[in-house]
Amino acid sequence: EAQVTQNPRYLITVTGKKLTVTCSQNMNHEYMSWYRQDPGLGLRQIYYSMNVEVTDKGDVPEGYKVSRKEKRNFPLILESPSPNQTSLYFCASSFPGREQYFGPGTRLTVT
Amino acid sequence: SQQGEEDPQALSIQEGENATMNCSYKTSINNLQWYRQNSGRGLVHLILIRSNEREKHSGRLRVTLDTSKKSSSLLITASRAADTASYFCATDALDTDKLIFGTGTRLQVFP
Repeated sequence: EAQVTQNPRYLITVTGKKLTVTCSQNMNHEYMSWYRQDPGLGLRQIYYSMNVEVTDKGDVPEGYKVSRKEKRNFPLILESPSPNQTSLYFCASSFPGREQYFGPGTRLTVT
Repeated sequence: SQQGEEDPQALSIQEGENATMNCSYKTSINNLQWYRQNSGRGLVHLILIRSNEREKHSGRLRVTLDTSKKSSSLLITASRAADTASYFCATDALDTDKLIFGTGTRLQVFP
């Protein structure tokens, strides 16, 4: 089944404790992206990747890191999480210029 | 930078009625996409319309695009309670690799 998976689905952590949210897709998509969704703000892009070893900043990259060492994986790293990073995070993938396939979301709470 | 803005922010209708949502954007685009999101879940792609297309249909969905006005509309005909969700437009801007989402329209369809 074609899908985008994210783990964990729910995470509660404390300020400053490094965490990684994994994202994996099985559709051989070149393009992968991370978004955060906050009430009243819609989806905002954090980082995206056009292919392996190619990443670029989205609209809200501060406080986040990503890597793209393999085509199927695109982890999101929060080196020192802060409460303002409490949000619902989505990973998505696609062929360039085509519709995006979204993961189920990761709800992160930073206390 | 928010590229797409949906209107209205919220819409409540009865089953069987038609629902129309509008999206306005700011810059030239390759394509415009509509997505649906059930509460707290991942977005699901509905329809993609390219910049050289004016209208597209998919089942009960009809999308129009007016590039001169930088606007699009999504019409859902004969709505059902199961259509209750948030709907987002997203623009694939001409000079970037980003897909930029609007803030969404919350549709409530009452049985």
